[in-house]
Amino acid sequence: TQLLEQSPQFLSIQEGENLTVYCNSSSVFSSLQWYRQEPGEGPVLLVTVVTGGEVKKLKRLTFQFGDARKDSSLHITAAQPGDTGLYLCAGSNTGKLIFGQGTTLQVKP
Amino acid sequence: NAGVMQNPRHLVRRRGQEARLRCSPMKGHSHVYWYRQLPEEGLKFMVYLQKENIIDESGMPKERFSAEFPKEGPSILRIQQVVRGDSAAYFCASSHGGQGGEQFFGPGTRLTVL
Repeated sequence: TQLLEQSPQFLSIQEGENLTVYCNSSSVFSSLQWYRQEPGEGPVLLVTVVTGGEVKKLKRLTFQFGDARKDSSLHITAAQPGDTGLYLCAGSNTGKLIFGQGTTLQVKP
Repeated sequence: NAGVMQNPRHLVRRRGQEARLRCSPMKGHSHVYWYRQLPEEGLKFMVYLQKENIIDESGMPKERFSAEFPKEGPSILRIQQVVRGDSAAYFCASSHGGQGGEQFFGPGTRLTVL
């Protein structure tokens, strides 16, 4: 059974701080996706990484896929209150997504 | 360019009734996936369908749950004889391609079983 361990589960920081969320597995994934979910809504796709060692940047967000395609990280620089939300990583091999438990981020002004 | 649509957004059923959840994929997408999010738990895969075919139903409970994606019309997730444990948010996602295709999610249907 493929599992994705996401950490930390909860994170509360002050505006302006940096943070990193980790997503780890013992399994190899052909692709990994990061989503953000607001209360009462569906997950919104942020980025997809497919190549080992790949780094993608989306404004203040930097996503990295491990060389072995077993782990990934999301780094946010200078967090803002608008970054508050639930962040989810999800790995894929055969079509279905395997989700991590999620990281609830709170950025206080 | 409409995204994935789900209806109803909220559904209340009494124990023993049937629940039907509908999902219209994004235009041009022929792959549909259903996921369930239980309170305080993560998203869990249920079933993956392509037009008129079930590709992977490894996450579907063995009884009472079924899914279809007909040639015409939305995908339907059907839960017969609902129980309180079925209360959850059910999300549909669609993709253009199959394996590795980016999945885009709908807003979900929140099912409450009384």
